[in-house]
Amino acid sequence: AQSVAQPEDQVNVAEGNPLTVKCTYSVSGNPYLFWYVQYPNRGLQFLLKYITGDNLVKGSYGFEAEFNKSQTSFHLKKPSALVSDSALYFCAVRDRFEFLDTGTASKLTFGTGTRLQVTL
Amino acid sequence: EPEVTQTPSHQVTQMGQEVILRCVPISNHLYFYWYRQILGQKVEFLVSFYNNEISEKSEIFDDQFSVERPDGSNFTLKIRSTKLEDSAMYFCASRGLAGDRSYEQYFGPGTRLTVT
Repeated sequence: AQSVAQPEDQVNVAEGNPLTVKCTYSVSGNPYLFWYVQYPNRGLQFLLKYITGDNLVKGSYGFEAEFNKSQTSFHLKKPSALVSDSALYFCAVRDRFEFLDTGTASKLTFGTGTRLQVTL
Repeated sequence: EPEVTQTPSHQVTQMGQEVILRCVPISNHLYFYWYRQILGQKVEFLVSFYNNEISEKSEIFDDQFSVERPDGSNFTLKIRSTKLEDSAMYFCASRGLAGDRSYEQYFGPGTRLTVT
């Protein structure tokens, strides 16, 4: 079974400082990894994904994430936080294997979420 | 930019009543999903749907739940007899083209279901 752990319920950072939101995963095969952001009363917005290749992936709004296979981690980072980045962030994983003719095994498994609070 | 839409945004119903949650996925997407998020908890997979069939379902998706794609655009989740514990935010998601496992899922804004 696949799983995701986000060890921090909340991360507090001052605007202009770098931020890191942690994520570790467990999957039987090789993973596809995703970060989503949820603003109040909104749905989940896709931020970025790791599929293959360069371990550092860049996404929307200046966010990036680093895939570390040995540590089974996929931490979300941003060099300089903005107050507007304050939101709930979810890490998600799925196995690469999928029955394409049925879509079986394509579900996402989410972490519990980390609330990012950026203050002036 | 195309997006997934869901209606209604908030549904209040009495225990034992049937509810239908509606979703319009992105138009050229082929894979469809329902997830739910109980208040303060993580997002949980309910069911995936492809080619007019359920691909996979979780243990949450029991006989009280059903999904349907009644026409070329809508994707619905029906709860036959709602229970208090069905109160949650329900998210619809869709994913793109066949043949590419790596496409991300795009989520709608959610329907908040409150069962009283």
